[in-house]
Amino acid sequence: DARVTQTPRHKVTEMGQEVTMRCQPILGHNTVFWYRQTMMQGLELLAYFRNRAPLDDSGMPKDRFSAEMPDATLATLKIQPSEPRDSAVYFCASGLVGRDTQYFGPGTRLTVL
Amino acid sequence: GEDVEQSLFLSVREGDSSVINCTYTDSSSTYLYWYKQEPGAGLQLLTYIFSNMDMKQDQRLTVLLNKKDKHLSLRIADTQTGDSAIYFCAESTILTGGGNKLTFGTGTQLKVEL
Repeated sequence: DARVTQTPRHKVTEMGQEVTMRCQPILGHNTVFWYRQTMMQGLELLAYFRNRAPLDDSGMPKDRFSAEMPDATLATLKIQPSEPRDSAVYFCASGLVGRDTQYFGPGTRLTVL
Repeated sequence: GEDVEQSLFLSVREGDSSVINCTYTDSSSTYLYWYKQEPGAGLQLLTYIFSNMDMKQDQRLTVLLNKKDKHLSLRIADTQTGDSAIYFCAESTILTGGGNKLTFGTGTQLKVEL
């Protein structure tokens, strides 16, 4: 049963700390998306990778957020330094080039105190 | 820009039909999607419809698409308590760098009462 996995599932940290979230896309998928979900803003696209190359990260605050794909089986989203307003659920999704359908991971619930 | 709108809440009795509505703006969307999110979980792809179709049926789910009015609906027949969740409508839009992204609506919270 292929699925997207994300770690950690929950993270509580203090303001100013670095946070790294990890995502393992479905094997064989070559697109990866990072979303953030909050009550106020709903689901926002932060970054999009195609064949490990970042194609669109216009939704991501550049000063503190960074997203990478060191290899085809791992995508990371890093926040440094974290702020309370970053508290949200962060979802990773993967898919195939040319196919719109995206498959979501269970999310990382981040709380920044 | 792209915008997807949904009503926030819907309450139905168990056994009744539920209809969740959505309006979208990008007429070039190839596919339109319905995702379901249960509490504490990620989004689960429920169904989708190709933009040249008017209707798609999948067991208890019926998707209707009115392309002229940019209106999408999801009908759940014989709604069960297990259908209680947030339902997101999404349209596919083309990214500047190539490829597509999904733009999600605000989500409709469906509550099924006994």
